[in-house]
This record gives sequence, C-alpha cells and structure tokens, in this order.
Amino acid sequence: QQPVQSPQAVILREGEDAVINCSSSKALYSVHWYRQKHGEAPVFLMILLKGGEQKGHEKISASFNEKKQQSSLYLTASQLSYSGTYFCGTVIIQGAQKLVFGQGTRLTINP
Amino acid sequence: DAGITQSPRHKVTETGTPVTLRCHQTENHRYMYWYRQDPGHGLRLIHYSYGVKDTDKGEVSDGYSVSRSKTEDFLLTLESATSSQTSVYFCAISSSLATDTYNEQFFGPGTRLTVL
Repeated sequence: QQPVQSPQAVILREGEDAVINCSSSKALYSVHWYRQKHGEAPVFLMILLKGGEQKGHEKISASFNEKKQQSSLYLTASQLSYSGTYFCGTVIIQGAQKLVFGQGTRLTINP
Repeated sequence: DAGITQSPRHKVTETGTPVTLRCHQTENHRYMYWYRQDPGHGLRLIHYSYGVKDTDKGEVSDGYSVSRSKTEDFLLTLESATSSQTSVYFCAISSSLATDTYNEQFFGPGTRLTVL
C-alpha cells in the first residue's frame, strides 16, 4: 500500500528545476507533501484533495492526477534551502485521518 | 510552531526491557499519531488516536501498544524491546474537524531509540 516515489535521489545546481513523483496502486483521496531536513522533523508543504483543491507554497507547486493515482511535486528555480528529503503521504480510505507515506526522495541542491 | 514535545529525546535500552515514549501537545488537537522512521522505509504509522481512549492500529503495530488518557498526552509502549525496534520515533498531531477534510500533520522533534 506504500506509495512509490521517484526518483529516490536527485542532485541539482541552484536555480534548476526538479520534479518528484508519487504513485499509488490504490485510489487516492488526498496527497500530502512534507519536507524533512537532516536531523529534523518533517514539515508540511501542501495538501492536494480529490476534486482539485490545492494548498501550497509560492515557489513549490504540485499536481494530482486522480485517474493515474499519482501526484507530482514541482520545485522551480531551486534554492539551497530546498535541500532535504521529500515525502508524499497518501489517504487511501475516504474520511480516514491517517497517511501512508512513500519512502522519500532525497534532494540535494549545490551552489 | 505547533506545541508538541516528545520525551525522552534519546534513549538506549537493552533487549527485553519495557520502554515508554511520551508525546505531549498543547494545541488541543483531536488526532495524534506515532510513526517510526528507518532508512529506506520513510515514515511508517504504528498507532494513532482519534480521541481520548480511542486508538487504532497502523501498518507496523506489532510489538507496540498505546494509550491516551488525556487529550494532550499519547504514550507509546514497547512491552519488551527488541533490536528491530531501534529507530527514530516521531509523534504527530492533526486537527481535522470534519469527515473528508484533511489537515496537515505537525510533527514532534523525534525520539532516537537504540535497543542493544
């Protein structure tokens, strides 16, 4: 049931763009994205809900394709502060308030 | 920042001993969660609570029990710790107020547990 994230790791130079994908074998009711810096707790980025509602940050956006049961996180003009591990968390039972997280994607931004 | 603390922050124990981790929140959020994080596995849900004395199992609940006697406290107990339970444990809280609304989870700072 764990969603699959790809790529597992990516290395970029500052200013480059990145896309992180999250795919599920189950129908999704919502997808959450979190970022975790080394040695710290995960921090919420955004939620995408079935039906298209989206919350998010200014320079980080995401899409949610319900038919394909997947979500993608887009980081444009990456900054050094974007480095960390990104996790998607999925809700696969309607109304359930628990997430199933992917294994994470490690993003490294170099100057 | 959400008011959520975990104690202890670090613990080393021996196989077979009982261990209790505490999560405390000051936000009055309804939902509380315990996750473990291991390399290559991401965050895996152990147990969660949807109210005082209301708990349910997650995907890796074997060997763990939980209790929630007050809104602000959620305890995770390893009845007899094993080396496979060496991990970083995170508590999280969420304030989802209605069915089909999904709010963000706020994570505590984590507890690093080593079982020798």
